[in-house]
Amino acid sequence: QKEVEQNSGPLSVPEGAIASLNCTYSDRVSQSFFWYRQYSGKSPELIMSIYSNGDKEDGRFTAQLNKASQYVSLLIRDSQPSDSATYLCAVIMNRDDKIIFGKGTRLHILP
Amino acid sequence: NAGVTQTPKFQVLKTGQSMTLQCAQDMNHNSMYWYRQDPGMGLRLIYYSASEGTTDKGEVPNGYNVSRLNKREFSLRLESAAPSQTSVYFCASSEGWTGGFYGYTFGSGTRLTVV
Repeated sequence: QKEVEQNSGPLSVPEGAIASLNCTYSDRVSQSFFWYRQYSGKSPELIMSIYSNGDKEDGRFTAQLNKASQYVSLLIRDSQPSDSATYLCAVIMNRDDKIIFGKGTRLHILP
Repeated sequence: NAGVTQTPKFQVLKTGQSMTLQCAQDMNHNSMYWYRQDPGMGLRLIYYSASEGTTDKGEVPNGYNVSRLNKREFSLRLESAAPSQTSVYFCASSEGWTGGFYGYTFGSGTRLTVV
């Protein structure tokens, strides 16, 4: 199993709908999880971090964590064309404290 | 507020040439990192520096060397460039080694082509 797995997409979502991005990870004792957004030709930008099971909301973004299932997700409500980007899931692997990035999911919001 | 500054933004090298990628941060962060990003491969850690005076290998260190010149600056050197090193290189920094509650701050990247 890859350490951090994401569906590469593209995921196409109509404007105004909810976009759901998913990520699974292999290290069951990982404690810290991040979502980064990367526009084409730009650098990654941190948009959410989550450390406890459950939901964490920040504006239109909600991160969800389920450690028992080793699953973290990002929901984007009221999707806008400006949300079109690649979303990277990142996990701190407790065995060596290194951050591992997933390969990213390309999200395309349809106007 | 500059954050993480990388130079140059673009570079074309011939096989066998050497060059140094420069990175500087003005956030008083302790840890700095060099990543490369390739299509289909995601971000891969080349080298990191958990604090001033220390450096360690990451996932793909072969063909690279680094120098943590001071707390602000962390450079990446390609001694003899190869076409396989064609990539986009990102420098990043964080307050702590793992990024802690604040994650990483990335520079704008260097697009390197080796011909």
